[in-house]
Amino acid sequence: GAVVSQHPSWVICKSGTSVKIECRSLDFQATTMFWYRQFPKQSLMLMATSNEGSKATYEQGVEKDKFLINHASLTLSTLTVTSAHPEDSSFYICSAKRGSYNSPLHFGNGTRLTVT
Amino acid sequence: GQQLNQSPQSMFIQEGEDVSMNCTSSSIFNTWLWYKQEPGEGPVLLIALYKAGELTSNGRLTAQFGITRKDSFLNISASIPSDVGIYFCAGQAEYGQNFVFGPGTRLSVLP
Repeated sequence: GAVVSQHPSWVICKSGTSVKIECRSLDFQATTMFWYRQFPKQSLMLMATSNEGSKATYEQGVEKDKFLINHASLTLSTLTVTSAHPEDSSFYICSAKRGSYNSPLHFGNGTRLTVT
Repeated sequence: GQQLNQSPQSMFIQEGEDVSMNCTSSSIFNTWLWYKQEPGEGPVLLIALYKAGELTSNGRLTAQFGITRKDSFLNISASIPSDVGIYFCAGQAEYGQNFVFGPGTRLSVLP
């Protein structure tokens, strides 16, 4: 159990376009999902916490107008990278929490975004 | 803010050897998690620890919640090539807070 699906697994887009990444919890309901960014050979950097039915909470330094997060249902959160630039190229990973406050995070397989 | 350190940063071992790595913090944590990440994939949960002193196994993996609550350890016995990857620890200081991730330990297994 506790399967999180992320789509697409990779995407290449042109500078100035927007890209949407989906994160779904397949076999459980997740009131909270998290979006991370990972640079090569580095750890996970939390971008924002996505709460079902309310606005996302962004970490310091993350532009909320740049990285739009929508958590419309208990099983789906989306991250839209708006007006993408080459510096937005990265590995984006979502995770979902199943259960109580100290329940572990279950991660999707990540999305490799390349902006040309 | 809270930070986690992982040691060693990287290690090269021979197949069949045992592996030990740790995760330390200057703060107390209530929950420790260990993940493994392979290239191009998301982290996979290995072991979750919830009590100081707790020792939990998952196959050849064993993790311990340090009694000071400021550290955790992960051991892998009889390593095999598919153990290759980056091992991340994550800690939660208080219930409801976000998990903090360590920088990872990169494991390479030589046949």
